[in-house]
This record gives sequence, structure tokens and C-alpha cells, in this order.
Amino acid sequence: DVKVTQSSRYLVKRTGEKVFLECVQDMDHENMFWYRQDPGLGLRLIYFSYDVKMKEKGDIPEGYSVSREKKERFSLILESASTNQTSMYLCASSYNPWDRARDGYGYTFGSGTRLTVV
Amino acid sequence: AQKITQTQPGMFVQEKEAVTLDCTYDTSDPSYGLFWYKQPSSGEMIFLIYQGSYDQQNATEGRYSLNFQKARKSANLVISASQLGDSAMYFCAMAGQGGSEKLVFGKGMKLTVNP
Repeated sequence: DVKVTQSSRYLVKRTGEKVFLECVQDMDHENMFWYRQDPGLGLRLIYFSYDVKMKEKGDIPEGYSVSREKKERFSLILESASTNQTSMYLCASSYNPWDRARDGYGYTFGSGTRLTVV
Repeated sequence: AQKITQTQPGMFVQEKEAVTLDCTYDTSDPSYGLFWYKQPSSGEMIFLIYQGSYDQQNATEGRYSLNFQKARKSANLVISASQLGDSAMYFCAMAGQGGSEKLVFGKGMKLTVNP
């Protein structure tokens, strides 16, 4: 019954490595999001996509890029991992139309990837 | 820009008591939605309740209700009859109307229910 799947639950990478975090949803949602969660800071939006090949920067895009080649898949890329990117990363998807708000826009989150950069 | 403020870093409540989690917001959007999510220690984000800015009545979902005061820009979550399983992080969030409704979150607060 898993609807938003993040490829890894835990990752350990070295400083300077290129890191790919993958997210797949099976609900045919238009919107997909990448958030970063740090204690005391809540969830902060890194990037989001409202259609295939479309992307917009969120609040903290520096050091990250994204790719959405297919509707169901949204990848977060750390071009050169740094220790300050050690965090929990959450992927989410949602409906686009406003009138879907009754069920909370259908926002669904993945279980998260805890990334440690050493 | 949208902003969510949760000022309570943590709360303790006795089992079976009611508890109110505070949330204030700021937005220039004429139409918006307010959300509450629960995050237990396992890490998943669980949707609890939604309130639309033009809804005439406060939202309710089982033991959860949202005390929406539009003029004060507050959207407090009320949990009635707390259970041990309610111990978790709670996040208030909002999204404005538009083509891509991105959720903006508060910093969260930790609720601990004591037996």
C-alpha cells in the first residue's frame, strides 16, 4: 500500500560525492516536492515540480538540483555533498487542482531518507 | 510570502486530557488551506486535518479539531482525550491557492502524553 517510495532509508556518503535521492509515487499526482527536515527548523522546501520537466526553487535550493523526466519520479541531486547537507530528506506529492483540498490536497509523504555526509 | 509560527517547543499532557497545540500564520493570499501533520518517532508524516480559509465551520476529524480564528490568523489543533500514541512531533502547515500548492511548515512541536 506504499504510495510514495524513497529509494533509501539511510545513506552515508563522503564529502564531495555526487548523491542521488530518488522518489517515486504511484498516485498520478502532478506535484512533487523535496523537503529537508532538521531539528528545530521544521521542514524546509528545497525544490518542487508541478509537471514533467518543470521545476521551481524552494526556500533552500543552494547545493541541490532536481530532475523530473517522468511524472512518477522526482530525483534530488546533491552535486557535491557537504557535511552541512547531513539531514533527513522527505519527498511528497500532491494533486494540483484546488478543488481537491477536501482530502488535504492529497499530500502524501515518503518515509524519508536520512543522509549522513562524512 | 507565507509563514507559519509554532512557539511551543514541547508540551506534556496526561492521558485522557485534552490539549491545544498553537499555530499562527501569515499570508497575503486571499484563499489558502491550513494543515496539521503528526510525525511519530518512526518518521512518517501523517495528515491529520485540513481547514480551508473560506470554510464556515471549524474542521473536525475524530478526536482532532481545528480552532480556526481567521481574524487572529490562528489555527490551533485540539486533541481531545489524549492517548499514549499521540506522543509525536506535530507540524502546522499552509498552502496558498495557485497552480502549485506548496506546503510551508512551522518548526513543529513535541507532544508527550504521560500515563
